[in-house]
Amino acid sequence: EVQLVESGGGLVQPGESLRLSCAGSGFTFSSYEMNWVRQAPGKGLEWVSYISSSGSSIYYADSVKGRFTISRDNAKNSLYLQMNSLRAEDTAVYYCTRDQSYWGQGTLVTVSS
Amino acid sequence: QLVLTQSPSASASLGASVKLTCTLSSGHSSYAIAWHKQQPEKGPRYLMKVNSDGTHIKGDGIPDRFSGSSSGAERYLTISSLQSEDEADYYCQTWGTGPRVFGGGTKLTVL
Repeated sequence: EVQLVESGGGLVQPGESLRLSCAGSGFTFSSYEMNWVRQAPGKGLEWVSYISSSGSSIYYADSVKGRFTISRDNAKNSLYLQMNSLRAEDTAVYYCTRDQSYWGQGTLVTVSS
Repeated sequence: QLVLTQSPSASASLGASVKLTCTLSSGHSSYAIAWHKQQPEKGPRYLMKVNSDGTHIKGDGIPDRFSGSSSGAERYLTISSLQSEDEADYYCQTWGTGPRVFGGGTKLTVL
């Protein structure tokens, strides 16, 4: 069974940093592209970042470019999102997804003073 | 620019059928899309991938009541024999070489 488990969310102040993790299991992690997707309270889904299976291709939404960094460790079956210079508008539930087919349960990030 | 357009809301009666539409932007009519369902207070769940030729590949455990189809730049999700648990937000998503894109979502109300 494919499982994606996010962790690392929490309450931070504007300008601070946070690192999210996503642990994958039940599939060959190194064979699949991964994404981070977020959902602000009461809003729709917003794609945040993509990383190819090898990590050689990476894309970001304009709203996070220059502040967020996606990475992966295929030996640890893990996906990461380093979030710097956080803003109030980054407040959301963050989901990791395996290509477009599987979703994690999400982790809440709240940016507030 | 790759954009997906969905109607904000739809409604249909219990036991009836409903067809939701996702429209690809000009120049992108060959793209496949994915449909996702999000029930209130829950995370999203993948339903199916719909190709430009109308074929679709459903996710694990998705009932036969859910089907996909295509016409030109439009991709459809049809839900038959509507049940109360079908009341949810439905999102389409597409991808190319570069950023991934979500539609704004359709809120389906089962009357």
